Amino acid sequence: GAVVSQHPSRVICKSGTSVKIECRSLDFQATTMFWYRQFPKQSLMLMATSNEGSKATYEQGVEKDKFLINHASLTLSTLTVTSAHPEDSSFYICSARGSGGEAYNEQFFGPGTRLTVL
Amino acid sequence: GDSVTQMEGPVTLSEEAFLTINCTYTATGYPSLFWYVQYPGEGLQLLLKATKADDKGSNKGFEATYRKETTSFHLEKGSVQVSDSAVYFCALRALSSGNTPLVFGKGTRLSVIA
Repeated sequence: GAVVSQHPSRVICKSGTSVKIECRSLDFQATTMFWYRQFPKQSLMLMATSNEGSKATYEQGVEKDKFLINHASLTLSTLTVTSAHPEDSSFYICSARGSGGEAYNEQFFGPGTRLTVL
Repeated sequence: GDSVTQMEGPVTLSEEAFLTINCTYTATGYPSLFWYVQYPGEGLQLLLKATKADDKGSNKGFEATYRKETTSFHLEKGSVQVSDSAVYFCALRALSSGNTPLVFGKGTRLSVIA
């Protein structure tokens, strides 16, 4: 089946540093990838939508200069949290939608990355 | 805008009990409806879906029927197991184009005790 991986699964960093999270579709090509943020006891909040080779479309209220998204290939998207602060601590989840086969038009989710900023 | 409202948890049930998790939605047009499940320490997995009114999605003993008249998509299971303990998310997608994201409810945590 279609699998999406995320790396790292957990990361702890100091305030002011930048953190990169990778999202990969392992056995399908993902023309569209979505990045979500999940707060404790709350739902998934969509941060941005990215298409391969294009600039990401950010949701209202999400700072594009703080959350840099790159979707350079059909199997890889990265989210970089720049100059992280404690309020950026959260669970970040990526999702990929396939362009064909089993994954066509279905949205598959990665296992998430727990970011803790000290 | 589009939104999903689902019952707040946590829900605690004994094994073999009947489960209902309510979900209602607000959307323009005719959305596709989904239930996702998140087991501890894992990502979201699609549990079932329905794409048009009166469709019934089913998987692993879970069922949900797309009710346009009540804008609902309640999740049910006749006999839950301990292994069903997870967080369940109701979601919709308003259009079928590749860029349209899923809109999620807040999630309902289910705990099944032996």
